[in-house]
Amino acid sequence: DAGVIQSPRHEVTEMGQEVTLRCKPISGHNSLFWYRQTMMRGLELLIYFNNNVPIDDSGMPEDRFSAKMPNASFSTLKIQPSEPRDSAVYFCASSLAGTAEEEQYFGPGTRLTVT
Amino acid sequence: GEDVEQSLFLSVREGDSSVINCTYTDSSSTYLYWYKQEPGAGLQLLTYIFSNMDMKQDQRLTVLLNKKDKHLSLRIADTQTGDSAIYFCARGGYNKLIFGAGTRLAVHP
Repeated sequence: DAGVIQSPRHEVTEMGQEVTLRCKPISGHNSLFWYRQTMMRGLELLIYFNNNVPIDDSGMPEDRFSAKMPNASFSTLKIQPSEPRDSAVYFCASSLAGTAEEEQYFGPGTRLTVT
Repeated sequence: GEDVEQSLFLSVREGDSSVINCTYTDSSSTYLYWYKQEPGAGLQLLTYIFSNMDMKQDQRLTVLLNKKDKHLSLRIADTQTGDSAIYFCARGGYNKLIFGAGTRLAVHP
């Protein structure tokens, strides 16, 4: 299994530009999570989906952030417009909800730098 | 994670045991987890413990759970340089995980 796939691995953009991060979960998993990691704030859950439906988006910082999951094998996290404080590593994770262990499998992350 | 707390740093000598501690406030979780993050990588599940267990051992790893005190610990025996990483404690809750801030373990010769 290829694991959770994220693209791009690195993104450098200028303030004000739109950024789109992509994630392909593990085949068969029905839950998908977007996290943001910074030195200051640690690991934050932004949003998660169950069966392609957003369940909890309370962690999304503001309206500039949006996430979609059009089908079971693809999700995007969009930031428009981007700001320097959005610089972070963004992780996508997937799991099989309803299993006892609730193990989440993380992707390698996208390192975003906004200048 | 607002209700999962860990110390931020731990430094140990190679060959010694490492003990990473975690406290949590919500005791409703069925499972508690330890994840490991190596530099430049995502988190990987290291081990987990069912909430009605006191201890779980897996090779060099020992997890201790004190439900009364809401305290979880991870002991790594014979710590190696390859164990240098950030270790996250997490509790399960309603299909999502609540993570602590992570403990950075540094192993020195």
